[in-house]
Amino acid sequence: DVKVTQSSRYLVKWTGEKVFLECVQDMDHENMFWYRQDPGLGLRLIYFSYDVKMKEKGDIPEGYSVSREKKERFSLILESASTNQTSMYLCASSSGTENYGYTFGSGTRLTVV
Amino acid sequence: EDQVTQSPEALRLQEGESSSLNCSYTVSGLRGLFWYRQDPGKGPEFLFTLYSAGEEKEKERLKATLTKKESFLHITAPKPEDSATYLCAAAGAGSYQLTFGKGTKLSVIP
Repeated sequence: DVKVTQSSRYLVKWTGEKVFLECVQDMDHENMFWYRQDPGLGLRLIYFSYDVKMKEKGDIPEGYSVSREKKERFSLILESASTNQTSMYLCASSSGTENYGYTFGSGTRLTVV
Repeated sequence: EDQVTQSPEALRLQEGESSSLNCSYTVSGLRGLFWYRQDPGKGPEFLFTLYSAGEEKEKERLKATLTKKESFLHITAPKPEDSATYLCAAAGAGSYQLTFGKGTKLSVIP
């Protein structure tokens, strides 16, 4: 089975800190995605990547950046964390040539204080 | 623009009381309709993929069906452990991104 591993389940950070959320997948998937999930708003796409060193903005990229230096790793960066970035962050991956369904990581619950 | 709408937002059932969750979609060139289960504080877990109208898939007490405009997740004789949020998502032509609904939160009361 494909596994998508997010480095932290829970994080608490100070306002203004630079925050790194790491995601690693082990099935050679081309596509990787970062979402945030908030009550009543559902899943909202932050950034995605179709290949190494490639990135595309999603629906809510402001305040975030990403890095994909290796195929298996997709990092989400909060340049200067703010309290409105408190949320559940979900990473997902999918194959570019087969079933288009995602495999999700277990999520990172980020609290910015 | 692709859209996926799920109803109801929340559903409370007595244990053993069968029901259905609805997922309406407007997607150009549907390449797949997906159902996920999400437990509180965890990432969504894949349940089913449906590719064409008329297709059905089953897993334990769950059965997913697909028409040209909707998908249903039927839950037969649910148990408390079926309590979760169920997400529906669609893949349209020309995109590897999924369009998600906001989910249905199912509570099964003993």
